[in-house]
Amino acid sequence: AQTVTQSQPEMSVQEAETVTLSCTYDTSESDYYLFWYKQPPSRQMILVIRQEAYKQQNATENRFSVNFQKAAKSFSLKISDSQLGDAAMYFCASSYNNNDMRFGAGTRLTVKP
Amino acid sequence: ETGVTQSPTHLIKTRGQQVTLRCSSQSGHNTVSWYQQALGQGPQFIFQYYREEENGRGNFPPRFSGLQFPNYSSELNVNALELDDSALYLCASSPPPGSEAFFGQGTRLTVV
Repeated sequence: AQTVTQSQPEMSVQEAETVTLSCTYDTSESDYYLFWYKQPPSRQMILVIRQEAYKQQNATENRFSVNFQKAAKSFSLKISDSQLGDAAMYFCASSYNNNDMRFGAGTRLTVKP
Repeated sequence: ETGVTQSPTHLIKTRGQQVTLRCSSQSGHNTVSWYQQALGQGPQFIFQYYREEENGRGNFPPRFSGLQFPNYSSELNVNALELDDSALYLCASSPPPGSEAFFGQGTRLTVV
């Protein structure tokens, strides 16, 4: 079974600053995928970044990067140069073979101007 | 916006009734997954369809059922609605396994 834990229900960051959202997971699989999704008030889940477990290099997408620690089963998201549009719920998720995704409870990110 | 569309956007039903939610997958995607997202929680996997066959199911009772059609669109049916079924229902489509899943905007179901 896969479980995903997000220990920060809420986080706040000043515009243009950097923030890190935490995520830990537990899986017995050796080959799996990890994701960070953003859910704004419009409700639609938007993929922020994706990491294949077999890749040692941390994924990066513009201002978003991850710190993937496979042995520690940790997958944190760093948002650099935070913008007002980054305010949303952020969900960490894991997937084995894309059969189903297991999501954490989410972190609500507030960006202060 | 992704190419995944869900209908209706909002729905109010009475306890004990039945409901059908619909999802049109993104062009070229043959896999559709359904999730239930209760207020203040993360989405929970209901089931997945791949090429019209159920390809995995989460911990949901049999009154949650689904279909996938030859054009890869999908339906989620819920019988004997309960108050706890009130939630946002999300549909996600993807190409073959291992690829990114694209979500629709969801259907907000309220059971009264």
